[in-house]
Amino acid sequence: DQQVKQNSPSLSVQEGRISILNCDYTNSMFDYFLWYKKYPAEGPTFLISISSIKDKNEDGRFTVFLNKSAKHLSLHIVPSQPGDSAVYFCAADTNAGKSTFGDGTTLTVKP
Amino acid sequence: SQTIHQWPATLVQPVGSPLSLECTVEGTSNPNLYWYRQAAGRGLQLLFYSIGIDQISSEVPQNLSASRPQDRQFILSSKKLLLSDSGFYLCAWRDNPGQYNEQFFGPGTRLTVL
Repeated sequence: DQQVKQNSPSLSVQEGRISILNCDYTNSMFDYFLWYKKYPAEGPTFLISISSIKDKNEDGRFTVFLNKSAKHLSLHIVPSQPGDSAVYFCAADTNAGKSTFGDGTTLTVKP
Repeated sequence: SQTIHQWPATLVQPVGSPLSLECTVEGTSNPNLYWYRQAAGRGLQLLFYSIGIDQISSEVPQNLSASRPQDRQFILSSKKLLLSDSGFYLCAWRDNPGQYNEQFFGPGTRLTVL
């Protein structure tokens, strides 16, 4: 049973437009959510996070939205840049200090 | 500043051979440490995590084992590799207590079992 799902394996957007990456979860015990970005043959790097007590967190071009009732979060990138092309992983934490990751969404930003 | 090292970067091993992957962290103390595996086209599967020396939890039953002989050293081992052990192995750390903060990942080891 996959507790964190990223239903879109890939997403392609034009440079300058908005990228929206989605993530759904099933475990109501998750209380902290993170997005990581990964380039090929490298380890993921942290991008942005949100606590379950908030519904929005913004950092520059990146905004994460959390809808607890729907058990859904999304990452918005505005404006998208070619350097944003990577695999994006959604992760969800409980207070046990372990993260459960989704399968990732490959974002391609076309110049 | 903190850094995390993993080696080797790539490894090709025959089925049935042993495995030892090493991970070390610098610039922090008493970190939580993690081993993940990423199979082709899949997400990150947590294999082991450790909150302290010789304190290791296994998440997935398999022929792999982990050890933490020192505070900032985490080792992934196998006595006999299977074909299904192929994948991209990632070590990660986070501050302890390891909640409500991000993990920092190493560069990874690409393991191919033939």
